[in-house]
Amino acid sequence: DGGITQSPKYLFRKEGQNVTLSCEQNLNHDAMYWYRQDPGQGLRLIYYSQIVNDFQKGDIAEGYSVSREKKESFPLTVTSAQKNPTAFYLCASSTKTGGEQFFGPGTRLTVL
Amino acid sequence: GQQVMQIPQYQHVQEGEDFTTYCNSSTTLSNIQWYKQRPGGHPVFLIQLVKSGEVKKQKRLTFQFGEAKKNSSLHITATQTTDVGTYFCAGPKAAGNKLTFGGGTRVLVKP
Repeated sequence: DGGITQSPKYLFRKEGQNVTLSCEQNLNHDAMYWYRQDPGQGLRLIYYSQIVNDFQKGDIAEGYSVSREKKESFPLTVTSAQKNPTAFYLCASSTKTGGEQFFGPGTRLTVL
Repeated sequence: GQQVMQIPQYQHVQEGEDFTTYCNSSTTLSNIQWYKQRPGGHPVFLIQLVKSGEVKKQKRLTFQFGEAKKNSSLHITATQTTDVGTYFCAGPKAAGNKLTFGGGTRVLVKP
């Protein structure tokens, strides 16, 4: 089954802790993305990667970090510097940047 | 920077009625894509329009790309409860650029 997976589905953390969200795809896509969605709001781009070992900041990169060491994987770390990290985080991938995006099921992060 | 706006933000529709949601970009788009996100779910790709003035249909859904490639519309005929969700438009400024998403239109259907 080809697709994009995110884990875990729900995540709880204490304030001040870093947390890493997983995103894996077996679609052989070059481009991968991380979005943040707040309740009732649209999608805001955090980081994206057009190819392995390369990534660019999106619109709201402050307090987040990423890596792209493998084509299949694009983990997102929410650092303690992110002032309001509680949100729904969506990972997506596409064949090329700007093309049709396939989304993972998302991770709901709650920071207590 | 590039901005994509969608109106209305919320749409309450009586089951069986038609409605239209609109998407407007501050810049010309290389293409326009539409996604649907069911409550509690993730966005799912619906369609992509590339040509100026292009119109595509998917059953009761009709998508249109404006002549200037700066706006788009989604028209749903005979709304059903399965149409509930948030519809997002998105487009890259140029081929190979990242997508900019609109804020979405949240559709609620009254049975």
